[in-house]
Amino acid sequence: QVQLQESGPGLVKPSQTLSLTCTVSGGSISSGDYYWSWIRQPPGKGLEWIGYIYYSGSTYYNPSLKSRVTISVDTSKNQFSLKLSSVTAADTAVYYCARGGLQLPFDYWGQGTLVTVSS
Amino acid sequence: EIVLTQSPATLSLSPGERATLSCGASQSVSSSYLAWYQQKPGLAPRLLIYDASSRATGIPDRFSGSGSGTDFTLTISRLEPEDFAVYYCQQYGSSSLTFGGGTKVEIK
Repeated sequence: QVQLQESGPGLVKPSQTLSLTCTVSGGSISSGDYYWSWIRQPPGKGLEWIGYIYYSGSTYYNPSLKSRVTISVDTSKNQFSLKLSSVTAADTAVYYCARGGLQLPFDYWGQGTLVTVSS
Repeated sequence: EIVLTQSPATLSLSPGERATLSCGASQSVSSSYLAWYQQKPGLAPRLLIYDASSRATGIPDRFSGSGSGTDFTLTISRLEPEDFAVYYCQQYGSSSLTFGGGTKVEIK
């Protein structure tokens, strides 16, 4: 059974960079069969896809966030990470990592982690 | 990017009733790469339907999906108490993935 777990600070100051890591267990990112994504959900609102990465390191980002987003992968640790720069209060959300991407649904999700942007 | 519009925003029904949820796309969804998710408060979304009409592992057969092109439907044949939740559609046929705004199915 594949499991994903997000980790990182729950509070980030405005203008700083939000950094989260997703640790995958029960399956290998290096298998090459899947994409690995980040998705977020502001409190009381809907879901927004942020971007995905392939084990090789190739990425695709949501055009609305592209200038601020970097997703990277560490296959040796079976982890992938999200960095979102220049955050504002509008970036306050529950951040999920999930398995899925182009031509693949999100079939496994992490439990989510709330990140609040506040001074 | 493909915009997905879900209707209605809220559906008020009683247990045992049939629920029909719609998802319209601003352009054709490639190869019917359309999924439906269920989300309950405080939990991550759960995959129900993929490729427009295939049930995910462990999903009861009262959930069914249909449609192609720009019009898709999720049907819950007989609502159980645990089905009251928010439902999202999502397309994964284009590089820029998108979700619909969600339909809340509430107890009448």
